[in-house]
Amino acid sequence: GENVEQHPSTLSVQEGDSAVIKCTYSDSASNYFPWYKQELGKRPQLIIDIRSNVGEKKDQRIAVTLNKTAKHFSLHITETQPEDSAVYFCALDTGRRALTFGSGTRLQVQP
Amino acid sequence: NAGVTQTPKFQVLKTGQSMTLQCAQDMNHNSMYWYRQDPGMGLRLIYYSASEGTTDKGEVPNGYNVSRLNKREFSLRLESAAPSQTSVYFCASGGAFYEQFFGPGTRLTVL
Repeated sequence: GENVEQHPSTLSVQEGDSAVIKCTYSDSASNYFPWYKQELGKRPQLIIDIRSNVGEKKDQRIAVTLNKTAKHFSLHITETQPEDSAVYFCALDTGRRALTFGSGTRLQVQP
Repeated sequence: NAGVTQTPKFQVLKTGQSMTLQCAQDMNHNSMYWYRQDPGMGLRLIYYSASEGTTDKGEVPNGYNVSRLNKREFSLRLESAAPSQTSVYFCASGGAFYEQFFGPGTRLTVL
């Protein structure tokens, strides 16, 4: 099946700095690339997604970039705030209406 | 509009007992999913149903069965629980463009 690798596994930044999380994948048939945020003890929540016909998408302080040729996509969070602290998961579609998830990145924003 | 709901929230079983986890969605989505999330790990797909009347195995189906009761409801059954099935179980429903929305989760402990 589809394999997706997510790096780094943990990331600590100072409040106000930027954070970048990267995922690489192997199946070129994938066309949908979402990112989820999961706070401690809560459900994963969709924060942004991108489809293969665009290279970048922004929503306020969050952006996602996609490089289909190199088979990687990244989440960028600017001006980080303590409430951004959470685990972030990338995912991609398997072509069967199902998603495969990365192993997660624990982001800690230090005040 | 409750989104995706799951019952129960918590459950403790003894090895060999059976139970059914219930999931319902009111978003009129065709697709529904069951994931498990082990401590410090990502989400692994157990089973999914791309539409009413169909079910497919995911990455870790062994030890589980599912039933798509109708468009709204998708249940997960453990016939003979094992300690290795101790996990948090999330149900999700999927929109027309692959986006998935998660329920609050069921925290299951098998002794």
